[in-house]
Amino acid sequence: QVQLQESGPGLVKPSQTLSLTCTVSGGSISSYDYYWTWIRQHPGKGLEWIGYIYYSGNTYYNPSLKSRVTISVDTSKNQFSLKLSSVTAADTAAYYCAVVTAHKVDFWGQGTLVAVSS
Amino acid sequence: QSSLTQPASVSGSPGQSITISCTGTSSDVGSYNLVSWYQQHPGKAPKLMIYEVNKRPSGVSNRFSGSKAGNTASLTISGLQAEDEADYHCCSYAGSTIFEVFGGGTKLTVL
Repeated sequence: QVQLQESGPGLVKPSQTLSLTCTVSGGSISSYDYYWTWIRQHPGKGLEWIGYIYYSGNTYYNPSLKSRVTISVDTSKNQFSLKLSSVTAADTAAYYCAVVTAHKVDFWGQGTLVAVSS
Repeated sequence: QSSLTQPASVSGSPGQSITISCTGTSSDVGSYNLVSWYQQHPGKAPKLMIYEVNKRPSGVSNRFSGSKAGNTASLTISGLQAEDEADYHCCSYAGSTIFEVFGGGTKLTVL
């Protein structure tokens, strides 16, 4: 069973770049079975898909965030990462890393809350 | 990007059945049998309960079932139990431009 753990700053200043890393255990980041995914949840709200990366390096982003999002993989560390640039208060949310197969989220990290504030 | 439409809240008594709807469009729910449902308890990560409209992952109670008619998917929970009280989120594949879209979530209260 794949296990995921998010890490990164819990506070980011407006206009800066939010950077999070997801460490994968119990599975290889190079597996062709999985899409490595980021999802966020604004406080008290529903879930929002951010994007995913496939083992080949192909990325797929939410069109509403595409201009600010980069998802990448570090195979040497079995990790994948999220960068979200030019953040505002509207980007304050819990961020989850996850594994998607066949358009379903099979495994989730515990989530990490990121606040955007000066 | 519009999200799928779910009722904000539903409620039921122990032992009863409830149904949560998830309404999309002909571009997402109506076009693909790739609707999934997630249960989320407060402060926890979501958990997959239903995928591909009506399939249950191993370990999920058969009290949970899914269906779809046109642009609306539904999650039914029968024999309500106290531990079913949680938020429920639907998700659908929406094609190769938008990819995945979630609903706004529904809070289930067991009275």
